[in-house]
Amino acid sequence: QVQLVESGGGVVQPGRSLRLSCACSGFTFNNYAMHWVRQAPGKGLEWVAVISYDENIKLYAESVKGRFTISRDNSENTLFLQMHSLRADDTAVYYCARDFSGGANDYWGQGTLVTVSS
Amino acid sequence: QSALTQPRSVSGSPGQSVTISCTGTSSDVGNYKYVSWYQQHPGKAPKLMIYDVSERPSGVPDRFSGSKSANTASLTISGLQAEDEADYYCCSYTVNYIYVFGTGTKVTVL
Repeated sequence: QVQLVESGGGVVQPGRSLRLSCACSGFTFNNYAMHWVRQAPGKGLEWVAVISYDENIKLYAESVKGRFTISRDNSENTLFLQMHSLRADDTAVYYCARDFSGGANDYWGQGTLVTVSS
Repeated sequence: QSALTQPRSVSGSPGQSVTISCTGTSSDVGNYKYVSWYQQHPGKAPKLMIYDVSERPSGVPDRFSGSKSANTASLTISGLQAEDEADYYCCSYTVNYIYVFGTGTKVTVL
């Protein structure tokens, strides 16, 4: 069955960096674009970034552009989110998700919590 | 890119129908068929309910339907059931080649 498992979250000080991973299984990973979506505590969903199946296209929300980098390793079926210059308002549960059609995400991970605090 | 506008909450009795609106602009909802809807129960990951404005993924009950008119998309839940109580979010592709979610709507089953 399709599984997406995020890891790498934790508590980090403002200005520091963190890398999230999303291990995928149960489907042909290199056939699908993949997204990161986050949700601050008690708040709504916020789209963060998307990467095409072949890594040629990477797009970001304005709130993270220049600080976050999305990447993937198709040989390891893994999606990544490298986060730099973290701020308090980056505190959120980060979800990875598979792009089913035109940005619609049919499978999601369980999420990993990133807390930015001194 | 501003979040799409949804009502904060809607409610209905079991068996009734409720409709959630998702208002954007001609730069997002009004210009693309790539509008999707998600259901999220507390502490859980979102679940895709509708994609491409009105298409239902396999396994989603046909009580859930989607539509769009101009810059506003809508999700209708017919025959409301207790398990439909959750938060719902719309999402749209935009002219900037990125995506934007709605503000979210809490559905309460009375």
